Amino acid sequence: ETGVTQTPRHLVMGMTNKKSLKCEQHLGHNAMYWYKQSAKKPLELMFVYNFKEQTENNSVPSRFSPECPNSSHLFLHLHTLQPEDSALYLCASSQVSGGATDTQYFGPGTRLTVL
Amino acid sequence: GQNIDQPTEMTATEGAIVQINCTYQTSGFNGLFWYQQHAGEAPTFLSYNVLDGLEEKGRFSSFLSRSKGYSYLLLKELQMKDSASYLCAVLDSNYQLIWGAGTKLIIKP
Repeated sequence: ETGVTQTPRHLVMGMTNKKSLKCEQHLGHNAMYWYKQSAKKPLELMFVYNFKEQTENNSVPSRFSPECPNSSHLFLHLHTLQPEDSALYLCASSQVSGGATDTQYFGPGTRLTVL
Repeated sequence: GQNIDQPTEMTATEGAIVQINCTYQTSGFNGLFWYQQHAGEAPTFLSYNVLDGLEEKGRFSSFLSRSKGYSYLLLKELQMKDSASYLCAVLDSNYQLIWGAGTKLIIKP
């Protein structure tokens, strides 16, 4: 248990569906991250929020839409996804973003399958 | 471009020692992390090195040579539960984490 929870753990959706992934951290951190993890590939950073403000958007397609209502919660809204978006989506948090020894703590991820 | 290289897969025997290497080319360096990730689970923090040398933490040790752009994770007295993927990540000059693809470690009895 890392102090970061994600729901749902598994999600199967069609290309026309709209769904949301939820992340919650209980560590008192101020930065939250969304990553995409595909098999045998490095983690891909998608979005970074620092004190509820988005500070990073790594050229992510607009079919992924993040929302950070407060420092403890992070959402990833999904719509009109493609089969190549199937992957493990990991949420992480850290004390702040961009700190020298800023260890990130990860949630267990949502395994997403797009049909 | 920025690059982190680590072997895709390694196999070792229970009770033995294994060394997982990581080489990096990044724009600047502000530290190197090792994470462990069991299948279907969250990556969990193992170690952070920013100065050259060996850091020991129980059965696990991590080594860094900044001049060579090289690190390794050393696992001693291997146990079956050590079967996992080990991720190397470097904090670059912009304090962005650059990740390797991970090394899948298989432990055999």
